[in-house]
Amino acid sequence: DVKVTQSSRYLVKRTGEKVFLECVQDMDHENMFWYRQDPGLGLRLIYFSYDVKMKEKGDIPEGYSVSREKKERFSLILESASTNQTSMYLCASKPLAESSTDTQYFGPGTRLTVL
Amino acid sequence: GIQVEQSPPDLILQEGANSTLRCNFSDSVNNLQWFHQNPWGQLINLFYIPSGTKQNGRLSATTVATERYSLLYISSSQTTDSGVYFCAVEGGYNKLIFGAGTRLAVHP
Repeated sequence: DVKVTQSSRYLVKRTGEKVFLECVQDMDHENMFWYRQDPGLGLRLIYFSYDVKMKEKGDIPEGYSVSREKKERFSLILESASTNQTSMYLCASKPLAESSTDTQYFGPGTRLTVL
Repeated sequence: GIQVEQSPPDLILQEGANSTLRCNFSDSVNNLQWFHQNPWGQLINLFYIPSGTKQNGRLSATTVATERYSLLYISSSQTTDSGVYFCAVEGGYNKLIFGAGTRLAVHP
């Protein structure tokens, strides 16, 4: 069964802290994604990666960085957390686009609160 | 870039009722998907439907690509249908653009 896991369901951090959100998938997928979800805005893509050590900016990369040292793991890093980064963060993975019907598989989400 | 608009933003139903959710998009697309996010946050793909009609149990979806809209039908709604329904279209290689969602509450 397809599985994407995220390191925490809930996280509370203070302004200025460095925050790591971890995502692991067990499906040997090449592509991995980080989104944030905010009320009234849907999901917005922060970064994605199509291979180990490769990354591409999404629509809202400012204030974030990512790391992909192993195929199964994709980390989102907030170098200096700010209150406007309080949000739900969702990780997803997807196989290489051999089929146009391939969908993204999502993790359960991490609700981050920055005080 | 492509804009995706969903309506209505909120919907309250009595168990057993039928409903239609709408997704409008601003440009032609090769990939349109419907997702359901349950009350615990888990997002699941319901349909991949760039055109035509598909059915899966009580759910069905129709996309009219030439008119740039898609509809998701829920028949005989159940409390387990509650959550948020998202429409997403492909906005470039590997990029999905999501609408703001329709929040559905089904009451017993």
